[in-house]
Amino acid sequence: DARVTQTPRHKVTEMGQEVTMRCQPILGHNTVFWYRQTMMQGLELLAYFRNRAPLDDSGMPKDRFSAEMPDATLATLKIQPSEPRDSAVYFCASGLGRVRAFFGQGTRLTVV
Amino acid sequence: GQQLNQSPQSMFIQEGEDVSMNCTSSSIFNTWLWYKQDPGEGPVLLIALYKAGELTSNGRLTAQFGITRKDSFLNISASIPSDVGIYFCAGQPSNDYKLSFGAGTTVTVRA
Repeated sequence: DARVTQTPRHKVTEMGQEVTMRCQPILGHNTVFWYRQTMMQGLELLAYFRNRAPLDDSGMPKDRFSAEMPDATLATLKIQPSEPRDSAVYFCASGLGRVRAFFGQGTRLTVV
Repeated sequence: GQQLNQSPQSMFIQEGEDVSMNCTSSSIFNTWLWYKQDPGEGPVLLIALYKAGELTSNGRLTAQFGITRKDSFLNISASIPSDVGIYFCAGQPSNDYKLSFGAGTTVTVRA
């Protein structure tokens, strides 16, 4: 059963620490999205890739967030340094071209 | 920020009732998607629409892609307790792969 896999599922860290979230897209999917979900802002698009190339990362705070796809089976979202306001659920989703996007189960990040 | 306006924000319905929600956009979309999210889980795709006027069903769910390509609606017929959750619309513009989401409709079913 193909699915998007995200790790870790939960992360608690202290302010100032580096956080790395990982996503394994569904095999063969060439579009990867990173979203952040909070009660106040809903689902915000942070960045997305097509064929591993970043197409748009305008939703990310550039000074502390970075997103990469080292290869077709791994996407990473890094926050350095983390701040309490970064606490949220971060979702990765993958799709094939314009076809539907499938979501992972998310990483719940708490920065204290 | 959000490009999509989704309404209603929330609804309480009686089991067995039909439910309707909609989404509008200021720009033209080539793709409309409807998702459901349960607590602690990621959004799950319910229905995908790719053509203006398209009407697609998935069990008790029916969704339509508006003729203007700026709106879509989702209907749930004969609601049951497991329909509880948050429903999101999402759209993809014609010139981009960017997938934007509405703010969600929270559905609560009274048994």
